[in-house]
Amino acid sequence: GEDVEQSLFLSVREGDSSVINCTYTDSSSTYLYWYKQEPGAGLQLLTYIFSNMDMKQDQRLTVLLNKKDKHLSLRIADTQTGDSAIYFCAEKRPGQTGANNLFFGTGTRLTVIP
Amino acid sequence: ETGVTQTPRHLVMGMTNKKSLKCEQHLGHNAMYWYKQSAKKPLELMFVYSLEERVENNSVPSRFSPECPNSSHLFLHLHTLQPEDSALYLCASSQDYSREKNEQFFGPGTRLTVL
Repeated sequence: GEDVEQSLFLSVREGDSSVINCTYTDSSSTYLYWYKQEPGAGLQLLTYIFSNMDMKQDQRLTVLLNKKDKHLSLRIADTQTGDSAIYFCAEKRPGQTGANNLFFGTGTRLTVIP
Repeated sequence: ETGVTQTPRHLVMGMTNKKSLKCEQHLGHNAMYWYKQSAKKPLELMFVYSLEERVENNSVPSRFSPECPNSSHLFLHLHTLQPEDSALYLCASSQDYSREKNEQFFGPGTRLTVL
C-alpha cells in the first residue's frame, strides 16, 4: 500500500518496555524516523536510522529495522509516565529531492499506566 | 522548545472569515513547511518553501494561501474554509530543502476549528 501504517493505540505499565511498530512502503527508503508529539506540542525528532543499519540504540530507545519486511520498530525500555505521547513513524523515499518524499504514519498513542 | 513558534495556538473561525496563521523559525534554516494533522490520518504535507520560493504544492485547495516573505517567516492565509478543514496545522523548518537526511523541526501547531 501507499500509506505508512501504525497501530493507533498502545498501553503499557510504568517500568515495562514499550514496542511501537510501523510498516513502511518503500524498501529503498533511505532514512526512517521516529517523532514524538506530546500533548499541545509539535513533533519532536526522537531518533532515526539509516537504511544500511538494522539496529540503533540511544539510551532507553532501540530502533530495529527489517528492510525485507519493511518493518520498523521503536522499543522504549523502562517506560515512564513522561513517555506518554503520540509516536509517528516516517520514511524518506528515494527518487526525489526535498520534502515531498517524507511520509508519515497516523501515529501511535502510547499511554503509560502508573 | 524547538526554535519554531506558531501563532495563534488556537483559532475558531466562521466559514466566511479571513484569518492568517503565522510561523517563525529562529534556527537559520532555509526551508519551511506547512502540514495538516487530522485525527487518525497521516500527516499531510501542504506547502514547502525553500529560500522564500514555493517548491511544493500538494493539491491544496485555493482557500489556503501560503506566503513566505523571508526565510524566517511563513504564513498561511485562510479564506472561506469548510468545517472539514478543522485540524492542527503544523509548521516545520529544515536546514535545506534538498538534503537527503532532511531533519525537520516542528512548531507546536495551531488548532483550527471552523464553524
